[in-house]
Amino acid sequence: DQQVKQNSPSLSVQEGRISILNCDYTNSMFDYFLWYKKYPAEGPTFLISISSIKDKNEDGRFTVFLNKSAKHLSLHIVPSQPGDSAVYFCAASAGANSKLTFGKGITLSVRP
Amino acid sequence: NAGVMQNPRHLVRRRGQEARLRCSPMKGHSHVYWYRQLPEEGLKFMVYLQKENIIDESGMPKERFSAEFPKEGPSILRIQQVVRGDSAAYFCASSPRLAIDTDTQYFGPGTRLTVL
Repeated sequence: DQQVKQNSPSLSVQEGRISILNCDYTNSMFDYFLWYKKYPAEGPTFLISISSIKDKNEDGRFTVFLNKSAKHLSLHIVPSQPGDSAVYFCAASAGANSKLTFGKGITLSVRP
Repeated sequence: NAGVMQNPRHLVRRRGQEARLRCSPMKGHSHVYWYRQLPEEGLKFMVYLQKENIIDESGMPKERFSAEFPKEGPSILRIQQVVRGDSAAYFCASSPRLAIDTDTQYFGPGTRLTVL
């Protein structure tokens, strides 16, 4: 039972354009959502998060949108840069200091 | 401020041997989490520990796997009598005890275990 789903395995965008990465969840108890970026042979790097009391959080080129009624969140990267090419994981937790449930990840390729 | 440290980065074991993976959390962090990533999969939660306490071990296999986070020293994930299916990347994460973003976990570089 996959509670966090990233249905698209890969995404390719042109440098300078917007990248939109999507994530869906099924567990209504989730109240905190995070995006991580991962390069091969490295650990996940925290990018941005959002609490369920908000619908948007922005940090530089990264913006996360949360639609609780649809149980959907998305990560927008604008403008996209070649260095953004990596695997992006969506994760969610229910309650403070609780385990993270991850999606399978999406591979983003930014073409120069 | 050093990040989460894990060692070894790579570990090769033969079937039946024991594997010990170590994790030192970020300075000031008292919560440690272990995750496992199988090929082509996302990270799967294994266990959550605080100093000298196991808080949540719902993701740990019932046999051969154990974890500890002693009062002094790193957290240890121990796998006894390893099998080929244990081959994976094992990641440790830590979070602070008290912070606004208490659910943000910061990950180490991982230990890649290969069982021959």
